[in-house]
Amino acid sequence: DQQVKQNSPSLSVQEGRISILNCDYTNSMFDYFLWYKKYPAEGPTFLISISSIKDKNEDGRFTVFLNKSAKHLSLHIVPSQPGDSAVYFCAAGSGNQFYFGTGTSLTVIP
Amino acid sequence: DSGVTQTPKHLITATGQRVTLRCSPRSGDLSVYWYQQSLDQGLQFLIQYYNGEERAKGNILERFSAQQFPDLHSELNLSSLELGDSALYFCASSGPSGGSYNEQFFGPGTRLTVL
Repeated sequence: DQQVKQNSPSLSVQEGRISILNCDYTNSMFDYFLWYKKYPAEGPTFLISISSIKDKNEDGRFTVFLNKSAKHLSLHIVPSQPGDSAVYFCAAGSGNQFYFGTGTSLTVIP
Repeated sequence: DSGVTQTPKHLITATGQRVTLRCSPRSGDLSVYWYQQSLDQGLQFLIQYYNGEERAKGNILERFSAQQFPDLHSELNLSSLELGDSALYFCASSGPSGGSYNEQFFGPGTRLTVL
């Protein structure tokens, strides 16, 4: 049973526009959430995280929003750049165990 | 380059066989995590070791086992292989505190193909 879901397998966005990637989770005990980015033939790399005591965390062009009541988080990338084209995984969990979504493949069109 | 190394990069074997995947964590990292990524699946957490001891267990099959050695490298052993075990296997490491709240650094993965 998927505890973390990314319902959009792919997303295409024009360069310079906003990319919004969504993620839903089922376990209300999760208290830490992360986004990873993955290029082909490489392992995932950490992008940004947020703990459950916050509802927003920003790092440059990347912002993660957390809606605990809806058990939903989203990653906003503004402005999107062609180099952002990759697969994005969200992860949620607590303690020592994290659950990953199936990923959203983002394509930024120049 | 994350600093985490995994060998081999690719592995092709037959059903019923046994293989060993190896991971060397970043210098100074005490935790090692193993993940499996099958086709169209997310990363499935398998197991975590911290400083040689098993710390957390995920969806790891009984045919799979892992260990972390005194030099902190880790091996994932997969036995009685089935076609469905074909996947990318990632290793990740994180800093000294042992908790997953630390950023995990992923290796490039080992692609296992079972024929």
